[in-house]
This record gives sequence, structure tokens and C-alpha cells, in this order.
Amino acid sequence: KQEVTQIPAALSVPEGENLVLNCSFTDSAIYNLQWFRQDPGKGLTSLLLIQSSQREQTSGRLNASLDKSSGRSTLYIAASQPGDSATYLCAPDTGGFKTIFGAGTRLFVKA
Amino acid sequence: EAGVAQSPRYKIIEKRQSVAFWCNPISGHATLYWYQQILGQGPKLLIQFQNNGVVDDSQLPKDRFSAERLKGVDSTLKIQPAKLEDSAVYLCASSHGQGGEPLHFGNGTRLTVT
Repeated sequence: KQEVTQIPAALSVPEGENLVLNCSFTDSAIYNLQWFRQDPGKGLTSLLLIQSSQREQTSGRLNASLDKSSGRSTLYIAASQPGDSATYLCAPDTGGFKTIFGAGTRLFVKA
Repeated sequence: EAGVAQSPRYKIIEKRQSVAFWCNPISGHATLYWYQQILGQGPKLLIQFQNNGVVDDSQLPKDRFSAERLKGVDSTLKIQPAKLEDSAVYLCASSHGQGGEPLHFGNGTRLTVT
């Protein structure tokens, strides 16, 4: 059974700082991995999707890497802004379109 | 492209009452998911449909939860009777169902059971 752990659970940083969010998963036989953002009272927005054959994906100030063999993914946020404040969730797809979520990292960026 | 629509946004009921949630996925999306998200936790998959067939309902508490997706488009999730521990946000998501594409989520229904 796939288990997903995200570290840290919460993070508070000053504006402009570069930061890394970590995700680990127990079953490395995944098809892809997604990073989502969730704002309070809202649904989830997909930020990046990395296929199992890829090592990383980039979108603007976001870069996600995947090391499938070690069961790890990281989300790198460059030059953080207050608007980046949200909960970030990692979700590997273990096949059959079954996407399992971690508990997320709550990020607060101080102006 | 219109997003995933869910209603209602909020619902407050007493324990042992029944409640129903509705979801309309993005047009053309074959796969539809219902997730339960308890405060402070990540979403947990309740049921997954491919068109109008159930792919996975292993984590659906079938003694009180039911879901259907008639005609392979919109879907309803029902709880009867509700318990206090059912208080959560119920999220609906959809995808094309061809693999390797992102999930699209609605804004969810926040259920409070008193």
C-alpha cells in the first residue's frame, strides 16, 4: 500500500527566499507524480506533473524533481512571494489512475 | 474550458441525517473521483469511476456511503446516516482517463455534522 510523507509539515519563510519541499513515497512503482497547491477553502490546483520516465519538470519559479528508485520528489520554489502561501500536496499515481496524497506542507511567506 | 462544478459549497446536518453532494466533471473527462479530506490531512480516495463503471471503491464505507454516475457524466455522493466523523470536505476530481494527465478538482463541499 502506497504511503506518502511530506516534510516539513509547515514552513514559514521571509519573502524572496528559495525553498524546498520534500515528498517521499513507499512504493516506487509509480506512473507519475503530481504536485498540487491548495488555498484555504478551495480545491486543489495541479502545479506540475512528472512522468515516471522524467527526472524533473519546471513551470516558472517552480521546479519539481523525481527520484523514483529512492521514492523521493522535491518541489523547489524560487524567490518566494506572499502569494505562494498555501498548502502544497504531493501525489504519486500508483496505476489504475489511483492518485494517493500526502498530508501536505503548509507554507507561509511573510512580506 | 469550464472547470469541475460541485454543489452545495457548504452543508450542515445533524448526525443520523442524510446528505447528497453533486459533481459535474469537465466535459469529455471519462474518469471521475470522489475524495474525502479531513482537516489537516491529504485527500483520501473514496471512489473512482471510469465512464459510468466503478473502478475502485475499496475505501468507501459502503454501509453508509453510496455513489453513482449515471450516463457517465455527472455524479452524486450520498451519506446515510451521517456520523460526526464524516465532517470533512468532499472533493470531486476528473481527468481524461488516458493516463499521465493531471487531475482537475472542484472547490469541494464542506460538510459539518453536529
